[in-house]
Amino acid sequence: KQEVTQIPAALSVPEGENLVLNCSFTDSAIYNLQWFRQDPGKGLTSLLLIQSSQREQTSGRLNASLDKSSGRSTLYIAASQPGDSATYLCAVTVSGTSYGKLTFGQGTILTVHP
Amino acid sequence: NAGVTQTPKFRILKIGQSMTLQCTQDMNHNYMYWYRQDPGMGLKLIYYSVGAGITDKGEVPNGYNVSRSTTEDFPLRLELAAPSQTSVYFCASSYSSGGGGELFFGEGSRLTVL
Repeated sequence: KQEVTQIPAALSVPEGENLVLNCSFTDSAIYNLQWFRQDPGKGLTSLLLIQSSQREQTSGRLNASLDKSSGRSTLYIAASQPGDSATYLCAVTVSGTSYGKLTFGQGTILTVHP
Repeated sequence: NAGVTQTPKFRILKIGQSMTLQCTQDMNHNYMYWYRQDPGMGLKLIYYSVGAGITDKGEVPNGYNVSRSTTEDFPLRLELAAPSQTSVYFCASSYSSGGGGELFFGEGSRLTVL
């Protein structure tokens, strides 16, 4: 059974700092990995989608890497801003299913203080 | 572009009551999903659909039913509500299942069963 773990559970940093969020998964047989952002009381917004054949994806100040063989992904946020404060979740799509079954981690709560 | 729209946003039910959570998307996506999110537990898949007229169970389907009569709509019905169904429910859609399937989420429906 696929399990996804995110470390740390919570992180508080000063504005301007570069930071890394970690995601690990137990089964390397995945289609892709996605990073989502969730603001309080809101739905999830997809930030980056990495296919299993890719090593990384970049969008603005965000860079996500994928090491399928070791079951790890990192989300790097450069020059953090207070507006980056949110919960960040990673999810993997399990291979071998007829639909996109996502297994989610429990999330990292990020607080960026001015 | 509205994306994925869920109603209602909040609802309080008494034990044993029934209700339907509505979900509609305007992106012509074939794949639609219902997840529930419990505090500290990540998201769990309840039901999914790969197209109009086709639905199937996810990880936690007990106590719920779905239908998919059109591409746009995917309502979730709760029969005989129980306190264990207190949760935040998210509807999501994607244009493909696994390989390219970025998920788009609604803003959620917060349900309390007393």
